[in-house]
Amino acid sequence: DTEVTQTPKHLVMGMTNKKSLKCEQHMGHRAMYWYKQKAKKPPELMFVYSYEKLSINESVPSRFSPECPNSSLLNLHLHALQPEDSALYLCASSQTIPTTSGAYNEQFFGPGTRLTVL
Amino acid sequence: KQEVTQIPAALSVPEGENLVLNCSFTDSAIYNLQWFRQDPGKGLTSLLLIQSSQREQTSGRLNASLDKSSGRSTLYIAASQPGDSATYLCAVSGRGSTLGRLYFGRGTQLTVWP
Repeated sequence: DTEVTQTPKHLVMGMTNKKSLKCEQHMGHRAMYWYKQKAKKPPELMFVYSYEKLSINESVPSRFSPECPNSSLLNLHLHALQPEDSALYLCASSQTIPTTSGAYNEQFFGPGTRLTVL
Repeated sequence: KQEVTQIPAALSVPEGENLVLNCSFTDSAIYNLQWFRQDPGKGLTSLLLIQSSQREQTSGRLNASLDKSSGRSTLYIAASQPGDSATYLCAVSGRGSTLGRLYFGRGTQLTVWP
């Protein structure tokens, strides 16, 4: 099973709302990622978790708050977003963060959450 | 900083043609190169991963090659079908402070018409 699931599929929120995105994988992967993708652009890395600890934060505004409560689950908490934050949010996982070349580096992506901020 | 370029940006071909999509990267110190497919509004589907020590990988009608020294990879699609229509993204993973990061190209948007 190489499936990464994300909920919800679509989310519409106002600028004062608080919401959360959820990502789950059951492949035993210990690295999990959040990406943001705008239309016609490649995905942009936001956060990387390795063994449930935040490894990389790509200078993401604090209105985005990631959480990794266990090795299978990754959340992204949203608060006071701006309309320009509207995008497709993608979660991915891999066995570990790559430290050498190897097939274990392969990243598997979920279907994404389409977020619209009004 | 790693830069990944994909050529062409868009490609429209009749069904049955054999296709070549190109990817180039500026820093040859990579761990892996991964090819993805993305349908409109959907997530990314991993097609092939080539480790830095490998020259090519094959999966069905897809063949990807890697020439690390020249910073190039090619995705070859044999006997294209309308169902192959999608955006194809190339991404490389690197070393040092870039651990965990995939550097993406902007993609090649492929349309295969019947």
